[in-house]
Amino acid sequence: ETGVTQTPRHLVMGMTNKKSLKCEQHLGHNAMYWYKQSAKKPLELMFVYSLEERVENNSVPSRFSPECPNSSHLFLHLHTLQPEDSALYLCASSQTSEYTDTQYFGPGTRLTVL
Amino acid sequence: GQQLNQSPQSMFIQEGEDVSMNCTSSSIFNTWLWYKQDPGEGPVLLIALYKAGELTSNGRLTAQFGITRKDSFLNISASIPSDVGIYFCAGNSNSGYALNFGKGTSLLVTP
Repeated sequence: ETGVTQTPRHLVMGMTNKKSLKCEQHLGHNAMYWYKQSAKKPLELMFVYSLEERVENNSVPSRFSPECPNSSHLFLHLHTLQPEDSALYLCASSQTSEYTDTQYFGPGTRLTVL
Repeated sequence: GQQLNQSPQSMFIQEGEDVSMNCTSSSIFNTWLWYKQDPGEGPVLLIALYKAGELTSNGRLTAQFGITRKDSFLNISASIPSDVGIYFCAGNSNSGYALNFGKGTSLLVTP
């Protein structure tokens, strides 16, 4: 089961560009997440939004700026990125409760910074 | 977040063989999840476990939530070529929103 879509699927940008990644979840969940996946590294949690409020920010550089306008949409705004920011960026959503926090992932955006 | 110990790191097996992989943590988890990721795609949830001792199947896949709540295993029976991919374990202690992920087990199946 997915129900989480991400656009674009692939993005190539220069270090001076500004671009945005978009995520949409169709599962009625109340929490959304941004992860970074680099080659041969575990998934790194970047941001968490719960009920449209940012609840976690894991020391992510300010050149990454998240936005959650409503519970179904999540954006990641990118500006003045570095080549080492090239990675697969994954969005996920979950219905948080006391007992479950099962996260469902989107297909990801493959970002290349030149 | 906490790093989980997932093993083996990679497996090369023949079609039809059974596969077993496991994950351990140093702290207690309330949820164990198993995901599969194909190249260039996002992880897809295979099995979710919510109770210690729970044994759950999804087709040829079976996973168990360890009694100590610090480990979980995933078995794949009668492997087929489309089982190729990277399998991740993930756990949540409900002390925050973060899922703790293993480094993944890369599975290759030869016909």
